Amino acid sequence: DVVMTQSPLSLPVTLGQPASISCRSSQSLVYSDGNTYLTWFQQRPGQSPRRLIHKVSNRDSGVPDRFSGSGSGTDFTLKISRVEAEDVGLYYCMQGTHWPMYTFGQGTKLEIK
Amino acid sequence: QVQLVQSGAEVKKPGASVKVSCKASGYTLTGYYMHWVRQVPGQGLEWMGWTNPNSGDTNNAQKFQGRVTMTRDTSINTAYMELSRLRSDDTAVYYCARGGDLYCSGGSCYSIDYWGQGTLVTVSS
Repeated sequence: DVVMTQSPLSLPVTLGQPASISCRSSQSLVYSDGNTYLTWFQQRPGQSPRRLIHKVSNRDSGVPDRFSGSGSGTDFTLKISRVEAEDVGLYYCMQGTHWPMYTFGQGTKLEIK
Repeated sequence: QVQLVQSGAEVKKPGASVKVSCKASGYTLTGYYMHWVRQVPGQGLEWMGWTNPNSGDTNNAQKFQGRVTMTRDTSINTAYMELSRLRSDDTAVYYCARGGDLYCSGGSCYSIDYWGQGTLVTVSS
């Protein structure tokens, strides 16, 4: 099975400062069609998850442009250019490349210092 | 707009079964995969499996093999997830979540886009 490993697990950030979350997979996430099916979700306290980014770097509609995704192969990163109070919550990566099985990372908790 | 509305909270005894419903609106259930994901209190997201609501095909994580059944009623645009032989460590919030379209033509291919509000299932004697 593909294992997704996020770091750090806890991320205290000062308002207005950047933040970065790493997600590493135990196997390459490049699919046979050449695409890489790596998704990022945000889960605010008490809410359902919300998708931020799919296929590594494609931001969903309504997601602020301070969120960006990058990476390739087995190493991926979610970056927030300037953290705002509403960004507090949990962040998860998920792979879909190794369909029919999907896997989430263990989550990263972002909090304000 | 796409919405997934789940059934209400449940309390079950160990050994019992629970069936959670997920009513889809704003799109046709049979056009997209439906995933089920759970979250034990204070822990992360755990992928349970998916169903193809058009064919009825399903695929589950090994951990839930033999205990989870995913079905659908296309006449009412509703998907269901039933978990049997419940244990206390099955206490969790269970989410339905829409996957990609069946022909992988949209932006959600091999991904998940919309989520239900979650259903808390408590297993306690």
